Amino acid sequence: GQQLNQSPQSMFIQEGEDVSMNCTSSSIFNTWLWYKQDPGEGPVLLIALYKAGELTSNGRLTAQFGITRKDSFLNISASIPSDVGIYFCAGINTGTASKLTFGTGTRLQVTL
Amino acid sequence: DGGITQSPKYLFRKEGQNVTLSCEQNLNHDAMYWYRQDPGQGLRLIYYSQIVNDFQKGDIAEGYSVSREKKESFPLTVTSAQKNPTAFYLCASSTTEAGGYGYTFGSGTRLTVV
Repeated sequence: GQQLNQSPQSMFIQEGEDVSMNCTSSSIFNTWLWYKQDPGEGPVLLIALYKAGELTSNGRLTAQFGITRKDSFLNISASIPSDVGIYFCAGINTGTASKLTFGTGTRLQVTL
Repeated sequence: DGGITQSPKYLFRKEGQNVTLSCEQNLNHDAMYWYRQDPGQGLRLIYYSQIVNDFQKGDIAEGYSVSREKKESFPLTVTSAQKNPTAFYLCASSTTEAGGYGYTFGSGTRLTVV
């Protein structure tokens, strides 16, 4: 099945730095979602985006729904150690019987 | 509190044995899903069900079986035909209503073949 391309695949950053990651698709979606997976746990929804061009924040997290509807971006400001984990993007066309398509994941590690 | 529960958290299986992973949700969601995650990898869909008594194969269904006799429950059986079953298994559920957004995941079951 299709997987969305996420980049970077992994990143090491220092505490306090800002982080950017993106997700691209060959097909369009009407909804983009970002999840975070802590080690040994299931993914948890961070942000949902419903409209092309939309910019949404959740605390230190900001995500954008690309204007072409084929991409999305997630930024984390002032990273802290608990930001460690795997971040997944996901796209879906709601209102249809389609399922979520997940990205390949970005592994984030934060050093003190 | 509503949620989705997977059990057990850790499971060990001898080669050649079948094993069943439990997934229960009280979110009144119609759809349920099983994913497999290998170390450092993304999520691969095994099976999904959008309504009771009906389910479809995902991308990697070989060696697995499921049932959906109740809305709340979607157990996954890893059969002896699955050649490399050691992995982290995630169950999820969602509404199928128009405008239903995202999946709610369980906390996973780590299966190890010994």
